[in-house]
Amino acid sequence: GENVEQHPSTLSVQEGDSAVIKCTYSDSASNYFPWYKQELGKRPQLIIDIRSNVGEKKDQRIAVTLNKTAKHFSLHITETQPEDSAVYFCAASGYTGGFKTIFGAGTRLFVKA
Amino acid sequence: DTGVSQNPRHKITKRGQNVTFRCDPISEHNRLYWYRQTLGQGPEFLTYFQNEAQLEKSRLLSDRFSAERPKGSFSTLEIQRTEQGDSAMYLCASSLGASGRGISAYEQYFGPGTRLTVT
Repeated sequence: GENVEQHPSTLSVQEGDSAVIKCTYSDSASNYFPWYKQELGKRPQLIIDIRSNVGEKKDQRIAVTLNKTAKHFSLHITETQPEDSAVYFCAASGYTGGFKTIFGAGTRLFVKA
Repeated sequence: DTGVSQNPRHKITKRGQNVTFRCDPISEHNRLYWYRQTLGQGPEFLTYFQNEAQLEKSRLLSDRFSAERPKGSFSTLEIQRTEQGDSAMYLCASSLGASGRGISAYEQYFGPGTRLTVT
């Protein structure tokens, strides 16, 4: 069945450093890959997304890269700030019988001041 | 507030009781999704609607779960004969779907969730 694996489960960086979170997916029909940020007790918030016809997308300090051949995609956060501390989820979806979206297990990011 | 809303925000029920949750999507969104999230895990897909049609339901969803979206606007999720294992946060999300262009058609926006505790 469909599966999304996310690594690492926990990531601790110093303020100003970069953070990279990696995901792999199993369903080759997946064509849309969003990333969500979830702070404690709050709803997941969409921070960036990419479709399979694009290899890279950037929005200020965050960027996502996609390698469809290898079924890998990654989130890159540069110049991290303490307010970036949260749980980040990757997800994959595509039109295989519907727009079912499968989420990774999450990465807890700590940015130390 | 023009975002996705969910009611109630919290529900405590005894095992064996039925519960119903409501989700109001963003008004122009024609796709609506239900997810379940337990502590330390990502949202787990339950089901989704395109307008009033329920197009997919997770194989993990038992027959005790049912969802409706009768007029293509708000949706309800009912859990019958609740069990302690049903305790979780139930999240609703909506997206533009076919009425959107490009990547905006796919983007899902989440509601605040309903936290269910089964005692």
